[in-house]
Amino acid sequence: SQTIHQWPATLVQPVGSPLSLECTVEGTSNPNLYWYRQAAGRGLQLLFYSVGIGQISSEVPQNLSASRPQDRQFILSSKKLLLSDSGFYLCAWSVGTGKRRYGYTFGSGTRLTVV
Amino acid sequence: AQKITQTQPGMFVQEKEAVTLDCTYDTSDPSYGLFWYKQPSSGEMIFLIYQGSYDQQNATEGRYSLNFQKARKSANLVISASQLGDSAMYFCAMSRSNDYKLSFGAGTTVTVRA
Repeated sequence: SQTIHQWPATLVQPVGSPLSLECTVEGTSNPNLYWYRQAAGRGLQLLFYSVGIGQISSEVPQNLSASRPQDRQFILSSKKLLLSDSGFYLCAWSVGTGKRRYGYTFGSGTRLTVV
Repeated sequence: AQKITQTQPGMFVQEKEAVTLDCTYDTSDPSYGLFWYKQPSSGEMIFLIYQGSYDQQNATEGRYSLNFQKARKSANLVISASQLGDSAMYFCAMSRSNDYKLSFGAGTTVTVRA
């Protein structure tokens, strides 16, 4: 069965420090991978998505970047965190395009607090 | 661009009663998918139900049903026989069949009272 792992679960980082969040998927090949961010009490905002190794699409210009060094690995990074980067970050995967039942599966999320 | 609107920021429901969560969407694409997710306080996103734009019947999954009115671009979620464990935030989401992206509404917080 397919599983998605995301870590760490919580993170407190000072302003100006670097960031690296990792997401890995098991049990499937060539998944589409996504990074979402959720502000407190708000909806999910798509940050990046990837349909293959080295292929990254950015939805929102910002202080963050994403990379996909392996087929089932997706990394969210920042060189210097801002206070506004605080939030709940969710990784997700899907296979094919969106018109599929059970098409998107989410990781357990990372709560990032920038202080 | 596609847009999903959830107009109810918060709702209270009595245990064992039914509750309807509203969702309207806007897209010019004829083929799309509609999803509902539940997010408890732990933060995980739990898939509840899916409706395809060409599906002839409204989707049902246990106590969850989707009232799909295509002409009105409406996809309301109905939770029957509410339980205390249903207290959570609920998100409506949409994707297009030729797209990889899942777009979310702002969410509705449901609180079930004993």
